[in-house]
Amino acid sequence: IAGITQAPTSQILAAGRRMTLRCTQDMRHNAMYWYRQDLGLGLRLIHYSNTAGTTGKGEVPDGYSVSRANTDDFPLTLASAVPSQTSVYFCASSDSRHNTGELFFGEGSRLTVL
Amino acid sequence: GQSLEQPSEVTAVEGAIVQINCTYQTSGFYGLSWYQQHDGGAPTFLSYNALDGLEETGRFSSFLSRSDSYGYLLLQELQMKDSASYFCAVSYTGFQKLVFGTGTRLLVSP
Repeated sequence: IAGITQAPTSQILAAGRRMTLRCTQDMRHNAMYWYRQDLGLGLRLIHYSNTAGTTGKGEVPDGYSVSRANTDDFPLTLASAVPSQTSVYFCASSDSRHNTGELFFGEGSRLTVL
Repeated sequence: GQSLEQPSEVTAVEGAIVQINCTYQTSGFYGLSWYQQHDGGAPTFLSYNALDGLEETGRFSSFLSRSDSYGYLLLQELQMKDSASYFCAVSYTGFQKLVFGTGTRLLVSP
């Protein structure tokens, strides 16, 4: 049982470089999310997608973009990385047809921007 | 913006009971969830309350009072493995786009 797979697990990146964090789920969930987690700030929503073909902005979308070409994949792109984007990034999914308050999270991608 | 408040840290001993409180803004409130996260791990879902009252799942229970904009997570018969961070999260839109609190670090000692 895979659930949600994120890649890479960790990455060190030079400022100004472009980076795409990958996220794939095999649960056929319609909704997917990207959160970042920083010490003392909890989890903050970056972007989300209610269904394939649609995306929306969360609390902290600046500097990030997403796409949802199909149900399974939801990549997060940093067009030009900056040090403040150093964080742990979590992808999550849910079946929004049943509002149980449950998100399924990947194991995270630790990104360091120098 | 929408915000949640929970204590930053709670300490307890094995076998004890601990309660982690969470208060939230009421505008558009739909439901309250609780997640556990061990250091270096992913958040995992514990419970969800959409209606007032207590939900029990084994050693963990969660309570919601919509009139007080307040909920709590109750952990009983604490074990060392319960040492982790616990997050409350609110869905405000009726859709599972959750807003998370900053987390409560629980330290369980022998």
